[in-house]
Amino acid sequence: DAMVIQNPRYQVTQFGKPVTLSCSQTLNHNVMYWYQQKSSQAPKLLFHYYDKDFNNEADTPDNFQSRRPNTSFCFLDIRSPGLGDAAMYLCATSRASGGNEQFFGPGTRLTVL
Amino acid sequence: GQQLNQSPQSMFIQEGEDVSMNCTSSSIFNTWLWYKQEPGEGPVLLIALYKAGELTSNGRLTAQFGITRKDSFLNISASIPSDVGIYFCAGQLKTGANSKLTFGKGITLSVRP
Repeated sequence: DAMVIQNPRYQVTQFGKPVTLSCSQTLNHNVMYWYQQKSSQAPKLLFHYYDKDFNNEADTPDNFQSRRPNTSFCFLDIRSPGLGDAAMYLCATSRASGGNEQFFGPGTRLTVL
Repeated sequence: GQQLNQSPQSMFIQEGEDVSMNCTSSSIFNTWLWYKQEPGEGPVLLIALYKAGELTSNGRLTAQFGITRKDSFLNISASIPSDVGIYFCAGQLKTGANSKLTFGKGITLSVRP
């Protein structure tokens, strides 16, 4: 089945220790998104890639970076995680044209010790 | 910026009952999406609506895109315990290649057996 895959599902890191979360998709969608979701809140968009074009949200901290080496994969790098970065991180994809609804992966729960 | 209003924050119903959830906006969208999120998982797309006035069903779920393009509702009929979760509405106003979602805050649905 075509899908959005996130690894790992649970990630524990230490305060200030860089961490990378990964996302892959078999949907062949042009657009890939990274969201941060904290408890009892809606997902908050961090950035997205339209093909290779990177689009950062204005309020996304510099601590968050992303890479998209090819159509299928996208990575979220947190350079120096703080306690406030503990959250669920969601990857989503969409087509660039037509019905461009977003499909989400299962998420990675990040814990910062 | 655009905001979506979903209320109440929580709903409690008896198994077998029908439930309706509304989502309203101060501005128009050209796509409305309804997602369900269960604990520890990513949002799952339930229904996508593309035209004002459109009424779409997915099993026991029915959603409508409001005529004004500023609202949508989701109905769940004959609820069952597995309907428990957080229901998010999301509006999308695609401009060029930009198709970001604006989420409501979500409604937590509880179903009593």
